[in-house]
Amino acid sequence: QKEVEQDPGPLSVPEGAIVSLNCTYSNSAFQYFMWYRQYSRKGPELLMYTYSSGNKEDGRFTAQVDKSSKYISLFIRDSQPSDSATYLCAMTDASGGSYIPTFGRGTSLIVHP
Amino acid sequence: NAGVMQNPRHLVRRRGQEARLRCSPMKGHSHVYWYRQLPEEGLKFMVYLQKENIIDESGMPKERFSAEFPKEGPSILRIQQVVRGDSAAYFCASSTQGSNTEAFFGQGTRLTVV
Repeated sequence: QKEVEQDPGPLSVPEGAIVSLNCTYSNSAFQYFMWYRQYSRKGPELLMYTYSSGNKEDGRFTAQVDKSSKYISLFIRDSQPSDSATYLCAMTDASGGSYIPTFGRGTSLIVHP
Repeated sequence: NAGVMQNPRHLVRRRGQEARLRCSPMKGHSHVYWYRQLPEEGLKFMVYLQKENIIDESGMPKERFSAEFPKEGPSILRIQQVVRGDSAAYFCASSTQGSNTEAFFGQGTRLTVV
């Protein structure tokens, strides 16, 4: 079992839809959770960063962390064609002072007009 | 606002040659991570460095690959005697010192071995 599981998709939605992207993980020591967006042939761009459980909102994006279920989500409201990209979740733990982000495989999102 | 700078963006090498990939972290960042990304796959951790120290190289192949982050200058990922299987996108990320915070990525170097 991989440490971080993420459905690769593709996930295809119409413009304006609410998008839900998810990751599950197995390492209970993970405390820091990140979402990155990666356009084709570009580097990953940090979207959201949260610590421990709870919600965080930034514009059209909301990140949720449920540590009891080892499940994190990214919601995109009023999705736009420009949101079409691959979304990667990443997480780190603080045990032993390790700061190495572990990534999911990424979910390909297509928002069609 | 200079982000993480990687060069070259594209690199073509013949089998058996050496590849050198460079990464300049964001200003104020002293932690550097190298990742490899193959088509349709996620980012695979290779090595984690701080200035003049390799902290974790558990993801690095045992042979032909090496990395450094000198006191002055960029971090270098070096691949000796490249093979076709080394063809991939190599990404560098940096973060601030002593803090488990977010990592920022460069645009990557796309290595093609012919």
